[in-house]
Amino acid sequence: AQTVTQSQPEMSVQEAETVTLSCTYDTSENNYYLFWYKQPPSRQMILVIRQEAYKQQNATENRFSVNFQKAAKSFSLKISDSQLGDTAMYFCAFMKGFTGANSKLTFGKGITLSVRP
Amino acid sequence: EAQVTQNPRYLITVTGKKLTVTCSQNMNHEYMSWYRQDPGLGLRQIYYSMNVEVTDKGDVPEGYKVSRKEKRNFPLILESPSPNQTSLYFCASSYRDGGGYTFGSGTRLTVV
Repeated sequence: AQTVTQSQPEMSVQEAETVTLSCTYDTSENNYYLFWYKQPPSRQMILVIRQEAYKQQNATENRFSVNFQKAAKSFSLKISDSQLGDTAMYFCAFMKGFTGANSKLTFGKGITLSVRP
Repeated sequence: EAQVTQNPRYLITVTGKKLTVTCSQNMNHEYMSWYRQDPGLGLRQIYYSMNVEVTDKGDVPEGYKVSRKEKRNFPLILESPSPNQTSLYFCASSYRDGGGYTFGSGTRLTVV
């Protein structure tokens, strides 16, 4: 079974600064995907970024980038130029590669990020 | 607009009164799942479906039922709700390509 660990329950960052959210996971799979989801106060789950395990290049989406360390099973999210709208809970999630079996997302417990004006 | 639509957004009910939370997606996704979100526990999968008439249990299926008679719809049924099913519920759908799930807006269920 896969597990996803987010050890920091809360973080705070000043507007316009950079913050890194940590995530580690445990799996014996070789083909899988990793995700970061954002949940603002509206409670909508929004996909922020996605990483394919077989790709060495770190994924980037505008101000959001990841540091994917496959051997260390680490998948951190870096938010640059933090904005007030980034205030949300962030979930790291794991999904096995599609094999015809359950393609579920396994989530970490989440981290609450507050951006200070 | 591509989306997953859940209804209702909020529901308060009494113990034992059967209820259904509807979920519909317009993206022709094969995979659909139900998750519940509880404080300190993250999101946990209740049931999933890989296609029409193909459903199976997730991590926390007790007290829930689902059906997938049409590709777009995946309702969640609580035959006899209990207070420990008070939670925030999400329906989500995906293609088979690991592109990530699209989530509905959530249903806040309170069972008293």
